[in-house]
Formats: sequence, structure tokens, C-alpha cells
Amino acid sequence: DSGVTQTPKHLITATGQRVTLRCSPRSGDLSVYWYQQSLDQGLQFLIQYYNGEERAKGNILERFSAQQFPDLHSELNLSSLELGDSALYFCASSVVDIVTDTQYFGPGTRLTVL
Amino acid sequence: AQSVTQLGSHVSVSEGALVLLRCNYSSSVPPYLFWYVQYPNQGLQLLLKYTSAATLVKGINGFEAEFKKSETSFHLTKPSAHMSDAAEYFCAVSGDRDDKIIFGKGTRLHILP
Repeated sequence: DSGVTQTPKHLITATGQRVTLRCSPRSGDLSVYWYQQSLDQGLQFLIQYYNGEERAKGNILERFSAQQFPDLHSELNLSSLELGDSALYFCASSVVDIVTDTQYFGPGTRLTVL
Repeated sequence: AQSVTQLGSHVSVSEGALVLLRCNYSSSVPPYLFWYVQYPNQGLQLLLKYTSAATLVKGINGFEAEFKKSETSFHLTKPSAHMSDAAEYFCAVSGDRDDKIIFGKGTRLHILP
């Protein structure tokens, strides 16, 4: 158990819908990262938040947005869903950054868009 | 810009044999390099990372990797494979501690009894 929790574990929805994925970082970790893993695109970094502020942005679509709340949990919002958005979405956390600290990954949320 | 190439999407080794997983990187700035492991139906776990200190990096579970700038490589090795090493391994590169991290396509390691 990495200490990073993600809910829900599985999510099945239809095209055009909007979903919210939730992540709770390890106690004491200020940085949260979101990743997408799919057969087509592989593993991709989406976005990083540090203590409530966006810190780095990767290949995140405009239909996707994220935020980190004062209690440091984070949510990833996916809207106008398409079939190609079906993937495993991972959250990870670290104290500050990936170079100084060890990054811990959650178990993931598997999103299926029908 | 950074990129990573992992040679071999599948690698099979016998139990007790040397494990060698290859990773070559491209980076316009001094890189930070990482190896992660993903066991079936689980999230990723950091094995080791190179952060411009020692070029030979030791990680968890007996794995190590050597940063070779002249060869732009960061290959992962383990002297003796165990059945429990069967998993998918990802090499990754970042140009800055706040930069986005770029992953390779992964190498699935199979251990033969």
C-alpha cells in the first residue's frame, strides 16, 4: 500500500458525459501528479499540483481539468468524454518534486467510456 | 525536449540469469532519469533514479542502473532474476524537477523457470 488513495476504482460511462476522479495523497505530501495510461498512448504525464498551485503541465486535453484543494486532495475532471479517453488514470504524490523525493503512485482509476 | 526509447517490448530471461533492460534517452538539458516497475493490476513503483550525483545508481529489489552520457543510456540491470521480478518496467526522463516526465513505452520482463 503506497498510501495514495484513488476513488472510484472503476468507472463506466457514456460518450459526452463528465466524470470526476479523486485522489488523496500520502500524509505530508504537497505535490500531486496525474497520469494517463492507455494501450494507444502509453503512459503520459498530465499535470502536477504543488500545495494548491499548478506546477507543471503535460499532454492534458482542454476537456480535462484538475485542481488541488486546501486539504491537498486533488480531483481530475474529464468532460465531453470520447471513446479514446478510456484508460487507467493514476495519481501520484511526493513531498515536493520527483527529483528530491520518492514519488508514490495510487492504484489507479480505470475509466471505460462506452 | 526529452524522449526515451526502450529497446525490446518483451524480454525473457531464465530465473537466476542476468536481467538487462535497455533505455536510451534524448535530452536538450542535463536529464533526470528514472526506472519504474508496474506489477499486474497495480500502480507504478519507483525502482531508482539518477539525479546527477553518482552515475551508478542502486535501487530497490537488487536493481541498479548506470548513467552513460556518451552513450545517452540508462540501462537497468539485476545480477540474478527472480520469478517475482516479472512485471513491466518503464524508463522515464525529466529535464527539470518541475518539468513534465516523459515515459518510454515499457518493457515486459518474463522470467522463465
